[in-house]
Formats: sequence, structure tokens, C-alpha cells
Amino acid sequence: QQPVQSPQAVILREGEDAVINCSSSKALYSVHWYRQKHGEAPVFLMILLKGGEQKGHEKISASFNEKKQQSSLYLTASQLSYSGTYFCGTRFSGSARQLTFGSGTQLTVLP
Amino acid sequence: NAGVTQTPKFRVLKTGQSMTLLCAQDMNHEYMYWYRQDPGMGLRLIHYSVGEGTTAKGEVPDGYNVSRLKKQNFLLGLESAAPSQTSVYFCASSDGTAGSYGYTFGSGTRLTVV
Repeated sequence: QQPVQSPQAVILREGEDAVINCSSSKALYSVHWYRQKHGEAPVFLMILLKGGEQKGHEKISASFNEKKQQSSLYLTASQLSYSGTYFCGTRFSGSARQLTFGSGTQLTVLP
Repeated sequence: NAGVTQTPKFRVLKTGQSMTLLCAQDMNHEYMYWYRQDPGMGLRLIHYSVGEGTTAKGEVPDGYNVSRLKKQNFLLGLESAAPSQTSVYFCASSDGTAGSYGYTFGSGTRLTVV
């Protein structure tokens, strides 16, 4: 029941764009996105609630397709500071209140 | 602005030893969580609490116990450590349910059981 993230890893050049996907086989109530740098704690980026919501955070935005039970994280004009592992966390509809996390997408931005 | 503080940051245990990991938050959050992170497996929920005096099991609770006697503290105990419990442990807190509130994580405890 863990959400599936794709791709598992991506390497970019500074200024390039990337998309990270998070899919669930169960109905979702909300999706969180976090970024974790090596050796550090995960940091909250944004939360999306059901209803096709789309949010933005600097040059990082995300969408939530409730019908497809899928969320996508968009990183535009990537910067070196965007490097890290991105996790989606999902709360399933009608179930307990905690998050279930995907296995992560490792993003590396090269100069 | 301490946020979520975890102690200790590193620990090496021998198989069969016991220890307690402490998590303290100063944001007056109701919800607190313990996760473990293993390579390639993301974050898995061990136990969580929805308020002072309450605890509940998560996805991987076996071998662990928790207590939340005070709202700001959430303790994770290992009664008899096993090598399979070698991991990085993260504590997190939130102001409400995961439907509407993001989590604030501590900096983690790296535990090695030999």
C-alpha cells in the first residue's frame, strides 16, 4: 500500500526541469511532498488536498489528480540547492490519520 | 526556535541491550510520530500519538514501545535490541491530522545494533 514514486533517480543540469510522480492504488485524501538532503531531516514542501488542487512553492509546484490517485511534483529551472531525495507522503481516504511515504526519488542537479 | 529535538544523535548497541530515544517538540503540536528510515524503503511508521497519554501502532511496531506522558515529549523504547533494528529513526510532529498539516521532523538518531 506504499505509494509508488517514479523515477527512482534523476540527474539534471542546472536550469533543467524535472517531474516526479507519486501514484497510489488506494483512494487518497491528501498528498504531502518533502525534500531530504543527505544526512538531514526531511523538510515539508507542500500539501495537496483532494479536489485537483495545485500549489506552488518558489519554482517547485505540484498537482493532485484525485481521479487517478496521482500527484506530480514539478521542479522548473532547477538549482543546485534542489538536490536531495524527494518523498511523497499519502493519507488514504477513510483510514487512519498518519502518512504513508513512498520510497523516494533521488534528484541530483549538476552545474 | 528548536522545533523537534531528538536525543541522542548516534548510538551503538549490542544485541539484547535496551535504550530509549527521546523526542521533544516546542511547538505545542498534538500529533507526534516515530518513523524508521532504511535504504530504499523510505520512511516507515513505527508508532504515533494523537495527544498526551495516547499511543497507537503504526506499520512496523514490533520490538518497540512508546510513551507520551507529556504533550511535548514522545519516547521510543527498544527493550531488547536486534540487528534488524539498525536504522535511522526520525521523530515528527504536526499540529493536526495528516489531511491538513505538514510534519516537522527532528534531525534523526542513527542507531547501530551489533
